[in-house]
Amino acid sequence: DIQMTQSPSSLSASVGDRVTITCRASQSISSYLNWYHQKPGKAPKLLIYAASNLQSGVPSRFSGSGSGTDFTLTISSLQPEDFATYYCQQSYSTPYTFGQGTKLEIK
Amino acid sequence: QLQLQESGSGLVKPSQTLSLTCAVSGGSIGSGDYSWSWIRQPPGQGLEYIGYIYHSGSTYYNPSLKSRTTISVDRSKNQFSLNLSSVTAADTAVYYCARGNWAFSTGYNMDVWGQGTTVTVSS
Repeated sequence: DIQMTQSPSSLSASVGDRVTITCRASQSISSYLNWYHQKPGKAPKLLIYAASNLQSGVPSRFSGSGSGTDFTLTISSLQPEDFATYYCQQSYSTPYTFGQGTKLEIK
Repeated sequence: QLQLQESGSGLVKPSQTLSLTCAVSGGSIGSGDYSWSWIRQPPGQGLEYIGYIYHSGSTYYNPSLKSRTTISVDRSKNQFSLNLSSVTAADTAVYYCARGNWAFSTGYNMDVWGQGTTVTVSS
């Protein structure tokens, strides 16, 4: 199975900050990388697919980049509703696997 | 707007079978080339992909759960189901159903999710 490792595991930031979360794959996954966020008690929500494509309806402050083994999710200006746990997910090969999550908290 | 809603047994005894259903509304399970997935999340932990089914009946199961997993589809009821046999406490989790999209250029993602249902395995 492809292992996905996110860093950091947790992050404290303030409204308006620019934040970057990293995801690393244990082998090359081309651009087959998705990003989700999950608020407490809620289902994950798709933000970015295929590394850099913004899902319909997702604010443009979210962006993704990377290919191969290293990927980043950037939030350009944090909003109160962005405090959540963020997960990356590879779809290069089955079984599809997720990172362990990055919890983004309010400073 | 497509919506998914999980239902099923919230408490299952060890060694028994966990059974969940995902009802699809706002669209037909047989329209488009979507897959219908199950994902779970143990308490305080990350996400684990269980498997998917297409409306044709074609399935994929995570090898770690394959021997115990069955996913089926009922197009007449516009729903799909998960059965997980011989459960243990390690199967305690929130179970989500989701719609999957696959394309060669973009890979596989899950764009519509149910709210999740909690299943506890305990005697």
